[in-house]
Amino acid sequence: DAKTTQPTSMDCAEGRAANLPCNHSTISGNEYVYWYRQIHSQGPQYIIHGLKNNETNEMASLIITEDRKSSTLILPHATLRDTAVYYCIVRVAGGFKTIFGAGTRLFVKA
Amino acid sequence: NAGVMQNPRHLVRRRGQEARLRCSPMKGHSHVYWYRQLPEEGLKFMVYLQKENIIDESGMPKERFSAEFPKEGPSILRIQQVVRGDSAAYFCASSPPGLAEETQYFGPGTRLLVL
Repeated sequence: DAKTTQPTSMDCAEGRAANLPCNHSTISGNEYVYWYRQIHSQGPQYIIHGLKNNETNEMASLIITEDRKSSTLILPHATLRDTAVYYCIVRVAGGFKTIFGAGTRLFVKA
Repeated sequence: NAGVMQNPRHLVRRRGQEARLRCSPMKGHSHVYWYRQLPEEGLKFMVYLQKENIIDESGMPKERFSAEFPKEGPSILRIQQVVRGDSAAYFCASSPPGLAEETQYFGPGTRLLVL
């Protein structure tokens, strides 16, 4: 599975959009981009995933560049409860090893 | 639809004892994965099971650790003769059969403390 690079930490003001970048320049054509988050040692929570089209659900939006070498997770209106470590993962379709890197620590501040 | 269930949530063992961690996947899910998270570290894959089969155990320590997912009942991660270095959070995830993306959904974890 391809390697991902994320900033170590980010701050965001409550109520503003949080944009979390991820670089995956070695991604293969059959690899999906997944985002999970882990709130203070709870189990990782699935957020969203995509292959090449932008995706949106009730939690977030995922923007994938046309060359698929990077993506951005957008939390449209961050709240204090969104403070967590966010993991960007690329995984081949049908692959089972979800490889977690260090992720981005997002601090949402009042 | 209940999520992935794990019990116990917290487990304390003395060195040399056995630890048994249980995981009940989401309804309709037949694939189970176990991960370990050491303090201040990321999650590491341990083992992938389907009903009655171990598909990949490349992340499992060679000794003292075993996992099973019987036809009936929860998946069990068993650690024999625990040592202090086994203290960690153990997370189970499950996924449904047949989907190419196989999104994994995680349980709340079991925190093992070895005294």
